[in-house]
This record gives sequence, structure tokens and C-alpha cells, in this order.
Amino acid sequence: KAGVTQTPRYLIKTRGQQVTLSCSPISGHRSVSWYQQTPGQGLQFLFEYFSETQRNKGNFPGRFSGRQFSNSRSEMNVSTLELGDSALYLCASSPGAGEATGELFFGEGSRLTVL
Amino acid sequence: GENVEQHPSTLSVQEGDSAVIKCTYSDSASNYFPWYKQELGKRPQLIIDIRSNVGEKKDQRIAVTLNKTAKHFSLHITETQPEDSAVYFCAASMGGNNRLAFGKGNQVVVIP
Repeated sequence: KAGVTQTPRYLIKTRGQQVTLSCSPISGHRSVSWYQQTPGQGLQFLFEYFSETQRNKGNFPGRFSGRQFSNSRSEMNVSTLELGDSALYLCASSPGAGEATGELFFGEGSRLTVL
Repeated sequence: GENVEQHPSTLSVQEGDSAVIKCTYSDSASNYFPWYKQELGKRPQLIIDIRSNVGEKKDQRIAVTLNKTAKHFSLHITETQPEDSAVYFCAASMGGNNRLAFGKGNQVVVIP
């Protein structure tokens, strides 16, 4: 079974630009979550999508947005990039059904550098 | 929201010794506590998790204990090996969703 795939793996942008990151979850997984990882703050929750609906949202500004498609693939977008947005963006998938939280399967991440 | 703190931030141990990492959480409604291991340049991977209806869970050389009253949980690694060197993240969640609040991570270095 293929793992979680994220594209692109590396990208460099300048301040004010926008970026779109893509995530393909494990086949059959309906939940996709996004996390921002930085050296000082660890992993911070951005949002979670389940069956094309945003189920949870973290404490990030509105410049950060996402969506999920009918095939469970997800994208996240960051507009008007700031230097502080430089980070590793991790996508994680899980089956997502039911009430119990379970294991998250992470992708290798998209490393964004904002100059 | 939930706040998870992790101590110590860095831990060095001699190969064969034990390592213990402690985490505290703030929200008494949290009921799921996973531990993730992230090796350098790799993705985080779940190594063990515990739910609030259990006080301790073991998996070979790894164990996790939970104290709901004190709102803290710990990871115990026995007979450490060089491949245990990594960053370990604890997390907490209220269940029913995949919104995990992570600690800032703990760098474990196993000295051969």
C-alpha cells in the first residue's frame, strides 16, 4: 500500500507570494490533517478534512486555507507569504471514521522557504 | 485549547540505559495520548499510544504511563540502542477528531 504522498517536497517563494501544497492520503483513508513543523514550535495543527468537509481548524490566520476533494486528496494554500511561514508542512492521513482518534500516517512533508 | 509541555528538551543516555520523557497536558477532557518518533530528515511515526481508560501500556522495550489526576504521561525506553536516537513528540487529543496538540519534542541521543 502506498504511503502518504506530498508534493512538492521543496519550494522557495518570496514574501507576498502564495503557495499551494498537495497531499495524497493512503488509499481508503478519508481524513487528512495538516501540521506546520518549525524548530522552535514543534508540530502545530492547521486543519483537518474529512469527507470534503473541514472538521477542525487550528489557530492560524485566514491566510492559511485548505480543501479536500472527493478522492480524499487535499490541498492547502498559504497566501501573502511571510518570512515566518518558512517551515515543514506535514500532511497526515487516517481512516477517520468513528469516534476514537487513532494513528496518523504522515507524509515526508513539503519544506517551504520564504525569502 | 489543549497545551502539552514536554521535558526535558534534550536527553543523552548511555547505550543500554533507560530513558524517560515526561509530558504534561492542560485539558482534563483529553483522552488519547500518542507518542511519535521522528528520525533526522524523516517523517514522524507512531511508536505507542494510550487511552485514558488505561494506566500503562507496554510494547517490547517501550512503555507509556498515564496519570490522569496529575495530567501527565511518560514514555519509558529500556535497554536503549543507537537506533533509538531521534526526536520524540508526545501529543494529546480529545478524541473524535485528529486534532493533536503536540509537545515541542525531545531530542534523545544514545551514546554507544
